[in-house]
Amino acid sequence: KAGVTQTPRYLIKTRGQQVTLSCSPISGHRSVSWYQQTPGQGLQFLFEYFSETQRNKGNFPGRFSGRQFSNSRSEMNVSTLELGDSALYLCASRVGRATGELFFGEGSRLTVL
Amino acid sequence: QQQVKQSPQSLIVQKGGISIINCAYENTAFDYFPWYQQFPGKGPALLIAIRPDVSEKKEGRFTISFNKSAKQFSLHIMDSQPGDSATYFCAASMEGGTSYGKLTFGQGTILTVHP
Repeated sequence: KAGVTQTPRYLIKTRGQQVTLSCSPISGHRSVSWYQQTPGQGLQFLFEYFSETQRNKGNFPGRFSGRQFSNSRSEMNVSTLELGDSALYLCASRVGRATGELFFGEGSRLTVL
Repeated sequence: QQQVKQSPQSLIVQKGGISIINCAYENTAFDYFPWYQQFPGKGPALLIAIRPDVSEKKEGRFTISFNKSAKQFSLHIMDSQPGDSATYFCAASMEGGTSYGKLTFGQGTILTVHP
């Protein structure tokens, strides 16, 4: 069974630009959540989707948004990029809505110059 | 109230030794406590998890000890091996209610096991 797949793995953007990251969950998993990982703040929850609906959102500005498609694939978007948005963005999926193991992808490394 | 505090930040252990990482939480509504292991360039992977109705859980060389009254839990790695060198994160979540499984992570512990 394929794991969680995130694309692109690495990308470089400049301040003010926007970026879209993609996540394909494990087959059969309906819940997808996103986390931001930085050396200073650690792993922080961005949002969680289940059946195309955002169920939970972390404390991030509105520049961070996401969506989930009917096939459970998810995208997150960051608009008007700031230097502080440089981070590893991790997607995770699970079978059910809120219980059980979270399976993480390898992440998308975003560098903002 | 949503914080999970993890210590130490880094840990160096000799091969065969015991690695101990500690976490403390404040929110008594947390009901699921997983530990994740992350190698460089990889995403975190679930190592072992415990729920508050159990005081200890063991899987191979890895043991979680849970103290509900003290709101603390710890990871013990017995017979530590160089291959265990990684960053370890404790986490907590409320699997019911409106949190929908959001994990609150500790800051991480970088474990180095010397051969």
